[in-house]
Amino acid sequence: DIQMTQSPSSLSASVGDRVTITCQASQDISNYLNWYQQKPGKAPKLLIYVASNLETGVPSRFSGSGSGTDFTFTISSLQPEDIATYYCQQYDNFPLTFGGGTKVEIK
Amino acid sequence: QVQLVESGGGVVQPGRSLRLSCTASGFTFNTYPMHWVRQAPGKGLEWVTVISYEGSNKYYAESVKGRFTISRDNSKNTLYLQMNSLRAEDTAIYYCARDREILGAGNFDYWGQGTLVTVSS
Repeated sequence: DIQMTQSPSSLSASVGDRVTITCQASQDISNYLNWYQQKPGKAPKLLIYVASNLETGVPSRFSGSGSGTDFTFTISSLQPEDIATYYCQQYDNFPLTFGGGTKVEIK
Repeated sequence: QVQLVESGGGVVQPGRSLRLSCTASGFTFNTYPMHWVRQAPGKGLEWVTVISYEGSNKYYAESVKGRFTISRDNSKNTLYLQMNSLRAEDTAIYYCARDREILGAGNFDYWGQGTLVTVSS
């Protein structure tokens, strides 16, 4: 199975800050990587697909990059409504696997 | 608009069975692969299983293989998850999710609200 290592597991930042989350795959997954946002008590929401493509309707402050084994998710200017847990997920191979999540809080 | 509504969750004793349903609307159900993804209380996301749009291809996580069965009834726009020999570690919110691509590679573009399954004596 492909292991997805996400870091940090949690972070606290101020409104307007740039926030970066990393995700490392245990083997080359090309760009078969998605990012999801999950707010408390809600289902996850797809934000980024194929590593860097912004899902329709998602604000442009969210972005993704990377390929191979190393990926980055960025919020360019943190907003109060961005409080959530973020997950990376690979779809290069079954079983599909998720990173452990990054909980983002406001400082 | 796309809607996925899960049902069938509840409290069940270890070793017993439960069947979850996911009713879809707002899109052409029989052209999309569908997945189940679960989340144990306070934990991360775990992919469980996928079924192809016509129902012929299925894949399972090792943790549920041989115990869980995914199926679909395209005439009823409904996805199912039959869960047998349930264990305490199967306790989770179960989400159904649509795959945006016909190959069912694993791009979950729409999710249901989830249904809670609690396995406890």
